Amino acid sequence: SAVISQKPSRDICQRGTSLTIQCQVDSQVTMMFWYRQQPGQSLTLIATANQGSEATYESGFVIDKFPISRPNLTFSTLTVSNMSPEDSSIYLCSVRVSNQPQHFGDGTRLSIL
Amino acid sequence: SQQGEEDPQALSIQEGENATMNCSYKTSINNLQWYRQNSGRGLVHLILIRSNEREKHSGRLRVTLDTSKKSSSLLITASRAADTASYFCATDAGAYKYIFGTGTRLKVLA
Repeated sequence: SAVISQKPSRDICQRGTSLTIQCQVDSQVTMMFWYRQQPGQSLTLIATANQGSEATYESGFVIDKFPISRPNLTFSTLTVSNMSPEDSSIYLCSVRVSNQPQHFGDGTRLSIL
Repeated sequence: SQQGEEDPQALSIQEGENATMNCSYKTSINNLQWYRQNSGRGLVHLILIRSNEREKHSGRLRVTLDTSKKSSSLLITASRAADTASYFCATDAGAYKYIFGTGTRLKVLA
């Protein structure tokens, strides 16, 4: 199974600023996913990050707010832009390898003041 | 929303008892998975059951799937304090995406 490292593990940010979250995988994977988990809630898929092409965003999420990079098959970043208190959540990176289950990083716990 | 529903939302049991959680979903699926999340950390994969399977075991875990009712259950036998966590079902409905259920918060009292 893939080992996923996510940085930072947590951060406290000021309103209006942006934060970039990094996701590093120990093996090459085709599909990487970014999820948001608001306090006490389930996971909601933000976007699918595909290497060599633009990310595919889910309904309710836009590239201007959550730009994603995928420069190679082992790395991706998610930026949370112009943050507001409503963006306080856990952001999770996940990968899927062929028919294997999805594996998750430990997440980034983000608080906006 | 395609999101699955889980019940109960919260469950509190004594150590040694069994815990049962249920998941209902809305669309046809290829497989269904159960995950555990400890205290706001990342998700740990527990078990995957395919749409042509009805029951699967892994250690103290037993998962059933009823595709006619679009539902699944997770049974944890002889629970331990370390089983305290949130449990989520996730359905693979194609397009390489998983839809997560609302989750069950399990508390096992020592």
